Amino acid sequence: EAQVTQNPRYLITVTGKKLTVTCSQNMNHEYMSWYRQDPGLGLRQIYYSMNVEVTDKGDVPEGYKVSRKEKRNFPLILESPSPNQTSLYFCASSGFRKNNEQFFGPGTRLTVL
Amino acid sequence: GDSVTQMEGPVTLSEEAFLTINCTYTATGYPSLFWYVQYPGEGLQLLLKATKADDKGSNKGFEATYRKETTSFHLEKGSVQVSDSAVYFCALTAGAGNQFYFGTGTSLTVIP
Repeated sequence: EAQVTQNPRYLITVTGKKLTVTCSQNMNHEYMSWYRQDPGLGLRQIYYSMNVEVTDKGDVPEGYKVSRKEKRNFPLILESPSPNQTSLYFCASSGFRKNNEQFFGPGTRLTVL
Repeated sequence: GDSVTQMEGPVTLSEEAFLTINCTYTATGYPSLFWYVQYPGEGLQLLLKATKADDKGSNKGFEATYRKETTSFHLEKGSVQVSDSAVYFCALTAGAGNQFYFGTGTSLTVIP
């Protein structure tokens, strides 16, 4: 089944404790992306990647890191989480031949205390 | 920079009512336009898309026409159902490999 998976789905952590949210897709897509969803703000893109070893900042990259060492994986790293990073996070992927239709993962709800 | 503005909600309609959710955009060049839907507790799913001016995207009774002259991509459905209750997002991208921009989302509730 074609899908984007994220782990964990729920995470409660404390300020300053490094964490990683994993994202993996099995569709051989070139493009992968991370978003955060906040009430009243919609989805805002954090980082995106056009291919292995190529990443670009979106609208809200501060406080986040990403890496794209393999085509299928695109982890989101919070080196020192803060409460303002409490949010719902979505990973998405798309293939360039499909008019950019993005497939979204189920979401990760992160709470930073 | 590029951006999307969509009408604020929430929107509450009776079953079988007509739906319009407005979306306007600002973009350099010729973006592709999308409507995504998010059901409670789930990720976003593509509802429909249009890649050039005057294209009409359609799916599940929903339609939207890419209007370059008014920079709009309004979502319409002639007769909504309770199962259409969800949050709807308008989005654009300048093209393959580029940044995506989403609107703030419009929550729709359809009551029997």
